[in-house]
Amino acid sequence: GQQLNQSPQSMFIQEGEDVSMNCTSSSIFNTWLWYKQEPGEGPVLLIALYKAGELTSNGRLTAQFGITRKDSFLNISASIPSDVGIYFCAGQRGDSNYQLIWGAGTKLIIKP
Amino acid sequence: DAGVTQSPTHLIKTRGQQVTLRCSPKSGHDTVSWYQQALGQGPQFIFQYYEEEERQRGNFPDRFSGHQFPNYSSELNVNALLLGDSALYLCASSWAGTGWEKLFFGSGTQLSVL
Repeated sequence: GQQLNQSPQSMFIQEGEDVSMNCTSSSIFNTWLWYKQEPGEGPVLLIALYKAGELTSNGRLTAQFGITRKDSFLNISASIPSDVGIYFCAGQRGDSNYQLIWGAGTKLIIKP
Repeated sequence: DAGVTQSPTHLIKTRGQQVTLRCSPKSGHDTVSWYQQALGQGPQFIFQYYEEEERQRGNFPDRFSGHQFPNYSSELNVNALLLGDSALYLCASSWAGTGWEKLFFGSGTQLSVL
């Protein structure tokens, strides 16, 4: 099935570094969401975006709904060990009312 | 307040068998969505139930069916299991009042088909 293009696939970062990841599609999306999944758990909602250009924060996390409506970005500032996990973008297209389409995830790993 | 609970947590079946997975939504939620997550991939939408009806279906064959009960709990049934059905099956609940897309996920059922 279709998936969003999420990059990078994985990131090795030092504690305290800022992190950026993005999600792109060839289709226009009405809603973008960012979720985080830790081992043995289901994804947890971090941020939801509903309008092109919208910038929303949740603590050290900031996400943006791209102007073209075909992309979204997530930034994490001053990373800490508990940020480790897999970050997924998910989107809702106009022709698919109740379905979320997901990226393959960005795996965040903290260097010891 | 219990979150989304799924049972069983792990299941091993053989090809051709049938399986039923169960989900209890978070208290106050009325919508249940089911997703399949293969190893190293993002979740794939199977279907969503609202008011005991299948409201939308993803690109999955008819072997995948579901049900929502009056108490909003849900079941996912898969018939004639294939090796490729091995995956983590995630149930997510939401409340229509604040947006169906704000999904709360359970920890999933890990299905292995041998």
